[in-house]
Amino acid sequence: DTGVSQDPRHKITKRGQNVTFRCDPISEHNRLYWYRQTLGQGPEFLTYFQNEAQLEKSRLLSDRFSAERPKGSFSTLEIQRTEQGDSAMYLCASKGQINSPLHFGNGTRLTVT
Amino acid sequence: GDSVTQMEGPVTLSEEAFLTINCTYTATGYPSLFWYVQYPGEGLQLLLKATKADDKGSNKGFEATYRKETTSFHLEKGSVQVSDSAVYFCALRADNQGGKLIFGQGTELSVKP
Repeated sequence: DTGVSQDPRHKITKRGQNVTFRCDPISEHNRLYWYRQTLGQGPEFLTYFQNEAQLEKSRLLSDRFSAERPKGSFSTLEIQRTEQGDSAMYLCASKGQINSPLHFGNGTRLTVT
Repeated sequence: GDSVTQMEGPVTLSEEAFLTINCTYTATGYPSLFWYVQYPGEGLQLLLKATKADDKGSNKGFEATYRKETTSFHLEKGSVQVSDSAVYFCALRADNQGGKLIFGQGTELSVKP
């Protein structure tokens, strides 16, 4: 069990640029989740996949955000035309069986200047 | 909608003091309840969980009891250590919601020697 891996750990970008983050879940975990965490707040749900199917998207996920999990393994989260308000920690988590807990990665910290 | 409310931090205690972090929730049905911990520079880790009323979750000297009558899941530890300094998040997982977690805002704990 190598844990959930996220890349990069940190990303600094200028407003208006596009960024893409990657998440590698624990192998054989069929569910994968993306969360956003801002300073002093708890993680907020963005979206989740079961295998390659994206089953739910939060209203927080504006049309500038898109997530994919093409082969049911790793996932990417892209933010287009970044805004300063997108600055946050983006967390990925994965889950196996129905009643098993979520396992989180260490996150990607995005700073938009 | 479903929500979790935690006591505000930061909480500052001396080593060996008793800890209580309050958590209350609002949810329909019968959610599962969790405490996650985030140590400085690390990702979220599951600390303990309870899946039904009156269950007690415990781990590393921490305990929390699922109280449906008061919709609470308070975290307690009899004697804290400096190494317990971290941010603690209470979370719920509602039925039929795809396994996603809803988090409280987190409570920072600082333990002084």
